[in-house]
Amino acid sequence: SQQGEEDPQALSIQEGENATMNCSYKTSINNLQWYRQNSGRGLVHLILIRSNEREKHSGRLRVTLDTSKKSSSLLITASRAADTASYFCATAYLNAGNNRKLIWGLGTSLAVNP
Amino acid sequence: SQTIHQWPATLVQPVGSPLSLECTVEGTSNPNLYWYRQAAGRGLQLLFYSVGIGQISSEVPQNLSASRPQDRQFILSSKKLLLSDSGFYLCAWSGGSYGYTFGSGTRLTVV
Repeated sequence: SQQGEEDPQALSIQEGENATMNCSYKTSINNLQWYRQNSGRGLVHLILIRSNEREKHSGRLRVTLDTSKKSSSLLITASRAADTASYFCATAYLNAGNNRKLIWGLGTSLAVNP
Repeated sequence: SQTIHQWPATLVQPVGSPLSLECTVEGTSNPNLYWYRQAAGRGLQLLFYSVGIGQISSEVPQNLSASRPQDRQFILSSKKLLLSDSGFYLCAWSGGSYGYTFGSGTRLTVV
């Protein structure tokens, strides 16, 4: 099945630096969502950006969406060791049965070193 | 507020044994419910989703089945586990055009 693709697969930075993760997708979408997963835990929803939006902020998080390039980026500013986790993007679309479906990327593993 | 409960957190089962994982949602009605499996270091694979009681859609052929006996209860089952069923299983719900809320996951090891 189609999947979103995040890059980089892994990212290691120092505390205080900014972290940027990218997501590319293939289908037309209703919205794009970013999630965070700590090791061995469930996923936590971070931000949802709709197809008619270009940028969204939540605290230290900034998400952009470029539908012409079918890509999105997640920026975490002033990173902290506690931001260490895997980050996933998911694109939402309506299938032929008019059911909302999500396509998940494989994730970016972020390590923030103190 | 809406909450989702998934148990157990970890499970070790022998090959050929049955499986039952339960997921319940509180604080919402008629949620869309999902079972995902996540292999180590990989993304999420949708196994089943349900838009209502008794309504189950299967995304991939496999050794597992799902049931929704009540509006806020979603059960993942197997009659005979295989080694390949090992993985991290996640239940989730969505209420519309917002993000998904995930349970804390069940780590299943089939030995």
